[in-house]
Parts: sequence; structure tokens; C-alpha cells
Amino acid sequence: QQPVQSPQAVILREGEDAVINCSSSKALYSVHWYRQKHGEAPVFLMILLKGGEQKGHEKISASFNEKKQQSSLYLTASQLSYSGTYFCGTELVNDYKLSFGAGTTVTVRA
Amino acid sequence: DAGVTQSPTHLIKTRGQQVTLRCSPKSGHDTVSWYQQALGQGPQFIFQYYEEEERQRGNFPDRFSGHQFPNYSSELNVNALLLGDSALYLCASSSQGLSNQPQHFGDGTRLSIL
Repeated sequence: QQPVQSPQAVILREGEDAVINCSSSKALYSVHWYRQKHGEAPVFLMILLKGGEQKGHEKISASFNEKKQQSSLYLTASQLSYSGTYFCGTELVNDYKLSFGAGTTVTVRA
Repeated sequence: DAGVTQSPTHLIKTRGQQVTLRCSPKSGHDTVSWYQQALGQGPQFIFQYYEEEERQRGNFPDRFSGHQFPNYSSELNVNALLLGDSALYLCASSSQGLSNQPQHFGDGTRLSIL
């Protein structure tokens, strides 16, 4: 079951904040976040597990709301290097595969 | 420390042909997952190999098959190629395919079907 990401795209100026949401209609065991730049492989950002806490990676953090089956990725004080497409990958309980959303394209401008 | 390597980088085939893509996992990883990524879309899970067996499979036809070797490297085979098979094929490796382990992706193989 493919998760739904929103928004589809966001444009930021350096230093601005953004939130990317990822939601599932089924009970999740974990949520993985990746960033992919044009023509490159997806790069791992962080994993959030069921029952786990909020995680952070530099000025990028994420949360996992088990009741809503929803995860949010927070880009704080964005930098030019944050530009790319962000994907959430969700894993259901007792399932080993990741289902990825359609992605959120983030453009950070000077 | 070598990351995930995939070969070839690019490939052009015609409809009806067969193709084999190869993946070497990151050092220390024993699980390989294959994904298909169409332009502008997220990666779609094809299957995962662990201990030389297919452990999980996505919604792909039997034309897509794979194999994992004792050294943990893996192959993806696609038979009877269709125009719709044109995509970036990504390989990702992880440790024991556990949920709390990140998947590391290779740069992918760009497959074009004419």
C-alpha cells in the first residue's frame, strides 16, 4: 500500500522551514526517509520505528504518529544542499518490504 | 569501504529481449532489495533476497526474477521486455533486512526499451 506524501512540491528561500507529510491507511511498523538529487541514488536520512522517538539529522528531524499512521519530516533553517526529492518509505507490521510515496520535490533558493 | 555497486550503468534493449542487471551489496550487508523507479515516481519494490532466497515480492509479474549468490551479490532478470519496463532499476542493500536498518542504494541501471 503506497503511502501518500504532501505537498508534491515546495519552494523555499535559504533559512526557511518546511514540513513534509507521509500518511498510510494501514498500521505501520517503520517509516524510512530518503533524499534523492537529480540523477543520483536515494540517500538515507533516518528511520522511525513504531514506539520510537523523534529523530534528527543535522537540521532535519522527523516524527512518527502511530495513532494517525503518519510521519512528518521537518526541514529547519533550510540550506541550498537540502534541495532534492524527499521520499518516505513505509513498512507494515511483519512485512519486509518498503513502499515509497511519490515524493516531495524541495527547491531551496538563495 | 565500497558502497552498493550496480552494473551496467545504462542499457538499451528492444521489446521481447531479455536483460540481466547485477548488484554487489555494501560490505557487511547480506540482504538485497530491487526497486523499479519510473521517471518522476518513487521507487517501487520488486523483491528482496536474503540467505539466497526470495523473502518478499512486490506486485510485479513473473517476467521479473532474481537470484542471490553465496557472496550476497544479486541479479535481476527481466524476460520478454515491454516498453513499460523502461525505468531506473535500483538495488539496495541492508543488514538482515531488519526494519531498524537503513537501506543503502546503488546508483542504478537506466534501462531503455525501444
